[in-house]
Amino acid sequence: GQQLNQSPQSMFIQEGEDVSMNCTSSSIFNTWLWYKQDPGEGPVLLIALYKAGELTSNGRLTAQFGITRKDSFLNISASIPSDVGIYFCAGQLFTSYDKVIFGPGTSLSVIP
Amino acid sequence: GAVVSQHPSWVICKSGTSVKIECRSLDFQATTMFWYRQFPKQSLMLMATSNEGSKATYEQGVEKDKFLINHASLTLSTLTVTSAHPEDSSFYICSALTSGVGTQYFGPGTRLTVL
Repeated sequence: GQQLNQSPQSMFIQEGEDVSMNCTSSSIFNTWLWYKQDPGEGPVLLIALYKAGELTSNGRLTAQFGITRKDSFLNISASIPSDVGIYFCAGQLFTSYDKVIFGPGTSLSVIP
Repeated sequence: GAVVSQHPSWVICKSGTSVKIECRSLDFQATTMFWYRQFPKQSLMLMATSNEGSKATYEQGVEKDKFLINHASLTLSTLTVTSAHPEDSSFYICSALTSGVGTQYFGPGTRLTVL
């Protein structure tokens, strides 16, 4: 089946630093999604990408849909303590109505 | 934005009992809802896709007789864990799909602990 890989698995950064995380897939996806999950809560959608090559920003967050459709990255600029959490990439195979397949997540810790 | 609620937020039950978890879309209608399970320090694993008025579609390896799903209305889907056992202890999360744009909004999750 479809499998997503995320790197790094975890990261510890200093407040104010920029963060970059990647997601790769064994399959082509038509939609890439990035979610953040805080402990004990459901995931919250950060950015949705619908076209290969698309670069989208949401405040300090920027994500890109890879040209091959098999990868995506998420950048966070000027990190702050509330950025702490688990970041999941996710993909949808065909349309935005499909089931969402989640990657294993990247755990981000921000040191004040 | 669209809001999805889950009830209860946490539940503790004895082994062998059944537990029902509700997922509601509060300000929109959802013809499709999804149920996920998340074990500690792991990702979300899709269990089943729930369509209003029809039978749920279960992912491979998920027992449909153990995890009963009912999507009786456009705003409510329920997941019943039947004859729960300690290995069923997990964080169960639902998502609801909006029509039109097709965005999925996730609920806050339900923590199930089976003793």
